[in-house]
Amino acid sequence: AQTVTQSQPEMSVQEAETVTLSCTYDTSESDYYLFWYKQPPSRQMILVIRQEAYKQQNATENRFSVNFQKAAKSFSLKISDSQLGDAAMYFCAYRSRSNFGNEKLTFGTGTRLTIIP
Amino acid sequence: EADIYQTPRYLVIGTGKKITLECSQTMGHDKMYWYQQDPGMELHLIHYSYGVNSTEKGDLSSESTVSRIRTEHFPLTLESARPSHTSQYLCASSARWTEAFFGQGTRLTVV
Repeated sequence: AQTVTQSQPEMSVQEAETVTLSCTYDTSESDYYLFWYKQPPSRQMILVIRQEAYKQQNATENRFSVNFQKAAKSFSLKISDSQLGDAAMYFCAYRSRSNFGNEKLTFGTGTRLTIIP
Repeated sequence: EADIYQTPRYLVIGTGKKITLECSQTMGHDKMYWYQQDPGMELHLIHYSYGVNSTEKGDLSSESTVSRIRTEHFPLTLESARPSHTSQYLCASSARWTEAFFGQGTRLTVV
């Protein structure tokens, strides 16, 4: 079974600075998706960024980028120019792409990000 | 913008009552999921469905049941609510190769 580990329960960053959230995962599959989700205090889960395992290029979405290291099974999220609206719980998630039907979304335990004004 | 809806948003109910949490999506997704989120914010998959008439139990054992009679609808039912069922319940849906989209959640309190 796949597992996702987020070793940082809480992180804080000064507004306008850069912060990196860590995520590692364990899988025996070669084809899968990785995601970062954000859950603000209003509690609706929102997709931040996704990465396909077969793509070597790291995904980028505006101020959000990932460092995907497939061999190390590492998938960190970098937030540049942090803004107050970035304060939220961030979840790393894994989803298999290999087997039809075995496509559960497995989440890490989350990292609570605080932005310091 | 994701078109997946959960009702009610908040529910306070007495012990022993039967409750149904509703989840509907208008995106035509074949896959739907129910997650239970504990106070520490960790997410636990309790049910999922790959299509009509297909339901599976998730990683966390739950006394709730689900049904999938229509593609767009995935209700969760508790036959007899207990205080231990107090939690946040999140519904999600996805197509085969897409990310999951989440509803706003139902916060259930059993007194």
